[in-house]
Amino acid sequence: SQKIEQNSEALNIQEGKTATLTCNYTNYSPAYLQWYRQDPGRGPVFLLLIRENEKEKRKERLKVTFDTTLKQSLFHITASQPADSATYLCALGDDGGNNRLAFGKGNQVVVIP
Amino acid sequence: NAGVTQTPKFRVLKTGQSMTLLCAQDMNHEYMYWYRQDPGMGLRLIHYSVGEGTTAKGEVPDGYNVSRLKKQNFLLGLESAAPSQTSVYFCASSPQRGGYNEQFFGPGTRLTVL
Repeated sequence: SQKIEQNSEALNIQEGKTATLTCNYTNYSPAYLQWYRQDPGRGPVFLLLIRENEKEKRKERLKVTFDTTLKQSLFHITASQPADSATYLCALGDDGGNNRLAFGKGNQVVVIP
Repeated sequence: NAGVTQTPKFRVLKTGQSMTLLCAQDMNHEYMYWYRQDPGMGLRLIHYSVGEGTTAKGEVPDGYNVSRLKKQNFLLGLESAAPSQTSVYFCASSPQRGGYNEQFFGPGTRLTVL
């Protein structure tokens, strides 16, 4: 069965450093991958989308890479700030045409001032 | 523009009781989804809809029913609640436009079944 893995341990990082999160998947051939941010008690909020034929996407201080050979996506937050503290979810989508997603369990980031 | 709203925000049920969760979106999105989120399990898709009058099963549909009588509303029903249905429920919507699109989530409903 398909599996999407994100690190269950929280990532504690000093303010100003780059936070890097990993999303690995097996038994899946996604057409695209998305990253969401979730704050406690709130719904996820979309951050970035990357397609299978794209290697890298950037948005402000965020960068996502997608390696379909390694079956892995990396999510980077550069110059991290305490306001970046949240849980980050990766989600995989297929070509089914209904924008249906399969989510990872999420990885918490704590930025220490 | 309210986006995606969910009613109620919190609810406590006794085993065997029924209830309906309401999701409404004002973005004219075609697609709508119901998820549950449990500690250590992540978001799991319960049911989804690709348009008014249509519904389909997701990953964990058992014990739930849905209806999409109007494009802007997506209802999730629990006919006979069980403690295993204690969870946070999220509704989401997504537009139908060319390419791949993001989902917009509501604030969630925290349900406890005693």
